[in-house]
Amino acid sequence: SSELTQDPAVSVALGQTVRITCQGDSLRSYYASWYQQKPGQAPVLVIYGKNNRPSGIPDRFSGSSSGNTASLTITGAQAEDEADYYCNSRDSSGNHLNVVFGGGTKLTVL
Amino acid sequence: QVQLVESGGGVVQPGGSLRLSCAASGFTFSSYGMHWVRQAPGKGLEWVAFIRYDGSNKYYADSVKGRFTISRDNSKNTLYLQMNSLRAEDTAVYYCAKDRPDLAGSISLDYWGQGTLVTVSS
Repeated sequence: SSELTQDPAVSVALGQTVRITCQGDSLRSYYASWYQQKPGQAPVLVIYGKNNRPSGIPDRFSGSSSGNTASLTITGAQAEDEADYYCNSRDSSGNHLNVVFGGGTKLTVL
Repeated sequence: QVQLVESGGGVVQPGGSLRLSCAASGFTFSSYGMHWVRQAPGKGLEWVAFIRYDGSNKYYADSVKGRFTISRDNSKNTLYLQMNSLRAEDTAVYYCAKDRPDLAGSISLDYWGQGTLVTVSS
């Protein structure tokens, strides 16, 4: 299957911890990557691989995976973390490359 | 620093064609695969196409297969997307993005351009 499922919306109180999840069969074979997108801006990679952050991404962002579910955790959410978050992976079937994105999760910081 | 700058977007009638360009700088363009990703107004991200570093392999989403062609000119550090037989549902911001290689085959796009808007309308 080439679908990735995310909750449409999640909220978190300022300074608290929030987990955003992504489900899909392909995640049993490949790691998810996570992107943050703020209104009017291009997406930014925040997590890739097992749990890697690109340079400049705060360490309050972390990733994990279990079975068919990948998670992005923000520990101590800040107001500037309010954004849309997308996971992505690749289809695990066959040699043809098919890249898939989840539908996105809108994070509100209260 | 890595820069990706898209151009070529605009308004086109259904059935028409458009070619997008993505000028790359700040990295060795010829060493990396590249993606096109689009985002319809108010919607999520949709992967469009990928081309390997040397252009040897190209992959497309089913929604654009047979209508869009991804290509690159490594001598000009430029990525292209030729879009033919355009439909209203192709209306979106089109982003080019650099692939971050992963030996295990996982996919991540580590740098993105700011996007160019394509509107298909009569």
